[in-house]
Amino acid sequence: SYVLTQPPSVSLAPGQTARITCGGYSIGSKTVHWYQQKPGQAPVLVVYDDSDRPSGIPERFSGSNSGNTATLTISSVEAGDEADYYCQVWDGTSDQRGVVFGGGTKLTVL
Amino acid sequence: QVQLVESGGGLVTPGGSLRLSCAGSGFTFSDYYMSWIRQAPGKGLEWLSYIRSDGSTTYSADSVKGRFTFSRDNAKNSLYLQLNSLRAEDTAVYYCARDRTSGFWSGYAYWGQGTLVTVSS
Repeated sequence: SYVLTQPPSVSLAPGQTARITCGGYSIGSKTVHWYQQKPGQAPVLVVYDDSDRPSGIPERFSGSNSGNTATLTISSVEAGDEADYYCQVWDGTSDQRGVVFGGGTKLTVL
Repeated sequence: QVQLVESGGGLVTPGGSLRLSCAGSGFTFSDYYMSWIRQAPGKGLEWLSYIRSDGSTTYSADSVKGRFTFSRDNAKNSLYLQLNSLRAEDTAVYYCARDRTSGFWSGYAYWGQGTLVTVSS
């Protein structure tokens, strides 16, 4: 089955740029979505189709996808960005077709 | 506005069963693929199922095949998850979610608030 690998945690100071990676074999050939989840809340879609933003999501959130790595970039991070972030793809290539989530990355704003 | 409301969670003993429901409103339910996702305490998101808008096709995680059954009733604007032979490791918040668009696989733009299932003796 397809595996997505994310770093468990990323920590940085306010105003810095966070880059959260999502590794997977030839992930560049797949469509990646990203979610933000704050404690006690349902996830929120922050980037879809690799690099598009839903309405209401700040421009500080952006995405890219190429080769074996997709990246969620959050520029000028704020305290309110502290959350868990998950990448997600549709795996239609294996016998078990379905959705795959990465393990999640906890973003801490120092 | 789009709303998804899960219900049916609670405490169940190991080996028991439970049926979760997800009621959709504010959109044409029969136009959209729907999904179930769960999250064990302190853990990440685990995808469970993705069911076609007309209910004709369901994709599901191998980890729950044979124990969980997924269905929908478009006449009632509802999505269902039948959980059987429950184990302690099935303890989680169960979410339903809707795709961003009516096409296939566009990202989960809408989520319910989740319903907690606790499996314990």
